[in-house]
Amino acid sequence: AQSVTQPDIHITVSEGASLELRCNYSYGATPYLFWYVQSPGQGLQLLLKYFSGDTLVQGIKGFEAEFKRSQSSFNLRKPSVHWSDAAEYFCAVGAGNNDMRFGAGTRLTVKP
Amino acid sequence: EAGVAQSPRYKIIEKRQSVAFWCNPISGHATLYWYQQILGQGPKLLIQFQNNGVVDDSQLPKDRFSAERLKGVDSTLKIQPAKLEDSAVYLCASSQMGQRGETQYFGPGTRLLVL
Repeated sequence: AQSVTQPDIHITVSEGASLELRCNYSYGATPYLFWYVQSPGQGLQLLLKYFSGDTLVQGIKGFEAEFKRSQSSFNLRKPSVHWSDAAEYFCAVGAGNNDMRFGAGTRLTVKP
Repeated sequence: EAGVAQSPRYKIIEKRQSVAFWCNPISGHATLYWYQQILGQGPKLLIQFQNNGVVDDSQLPKDRFSAERLKGVDSTLKIQPAKLEDSAVYLCASSQMGQRGETQYFGPGTRLLVL
């Protein structure tokens, strides 16, 4: 069965600093991988997704993620964080019927 | 394009009471999902509909939870009777066809507190 681990429960970065959120997955076949963001009181918004091809995926709001099969990882990055990026970030792996397994999330705090 | 609509946004009930949540997906989306998100955890799929049929309800606690999507459009999720551990945000999502890798679009959720 598929599963996702997000090792970092909470991360704090300064505005303008770079960001990397970690995600490790377990899935028997070629994974479909997603990153979603959830602002307080809001639903989840898709940042980016990976199916196949180029292992570096570009998303919205300046985010990118890199798929590394050898490490079973799909880490999310942003070169310069803005205060509005403060939110909860979820990594997910998609399976056969498009049911997704989400990680527990990483809460991002941005210091001014 | 209108997004996924959910109501109510908040609900407070006492244990053993019943409660119902409503979801209207994006127009034309065949697949509808209900997720439960407990504080500090990621969303967990409860049930997935394809039109008005159930695709997956393996994680739905069927002794107390029920869901329907009678006309293949909007959907209702019910809890009866509620337990303290049902306190969570209930998220509804929809996608076009339910094919693997499709983007799921989420509503704002219903926050349930069971006292």
